[in-house]
Amino acid sequence: AQSVTQLGSHVSVSEGALVLLRCNYSSSVPPYLFWYVQYPNQGLQLLLKYTTGATLVKGINGFEAEFKKSETSFHLTKPSAHMSDAAEYFCAVSNFGNEKLTFGTGTRLTIIP
Amino acid sequence: DVKVTQSSRYLVKRTGEKVFLECVQDMDHENMFWYRQDPGLGLRLIYFSYDVKMKEKGDIPEGYSVSREKKERFSLILESASTNQTSMYLCATKAGGVGNTGELFFGEGSRLTVL
Repeated sequence: AQSVTQLGSHVSVSEGALVLLRCNYSSSVPPYLFWYVQYPNQGLQLLLKYTTGATLVKGINGFEAEFKKSETSFHLTKPSAHMSDAAEYFCAVSNFGNEKLTFGTGTRLTIIP
Repeated sequence: DVKVTQSSRYLVKRTGEKVFLECVQDMDHENMFWYRQDPGLGLRLIYFSYDVKMKEKGDIPEGYSVSREKKERFSLILESASTNQTSMYLCATKAGGVGNTGELFFGEGSRLTVL
């Protein structure tokens, strides 16, 4: 079985500050890990993904995430928040041969001007 | 780019009505999914299909059924809508085969209100 825990359902940061959204996963086999973003009244859009290889992955809009196997974590970061980053962010896990993705409950990011 | 189109963005239905939510994709993906999204609960999988006429229950299939008669189209059916099915419904697709890395492509969602 696989599961995802996102710590903090709401996170607020000031414009220009570091963004850190936390994600921990549980998987019995090597995982594929994803971060998705959802803007109001829209579907989900892929930010970045980890499958194999380099553990630091870069995505769109200046976001990146690091896969840490020892900590079973895949935290999302961005050095400097922009107002346009305000959205809901979802972490998800799957693994090879499993067609299903399991999602976390989401973190709503608010940017303070 | 993959395009996943959900036919209705907003629907209002009455309790007991039959509801059809349609999803069409244009990228020849084998796998299609229906999720519902509720505040604080994230996305929960209702049903998915890995081939035409094939379907598998997800985590919350009760009260729903699906139909996949053509590869590009996956329909979610609420036989008798209830107020607790008021939600945002998201359709997604994924390529199949060896080497696919599991990325989902989403439609824009269908927000259903049941009165």
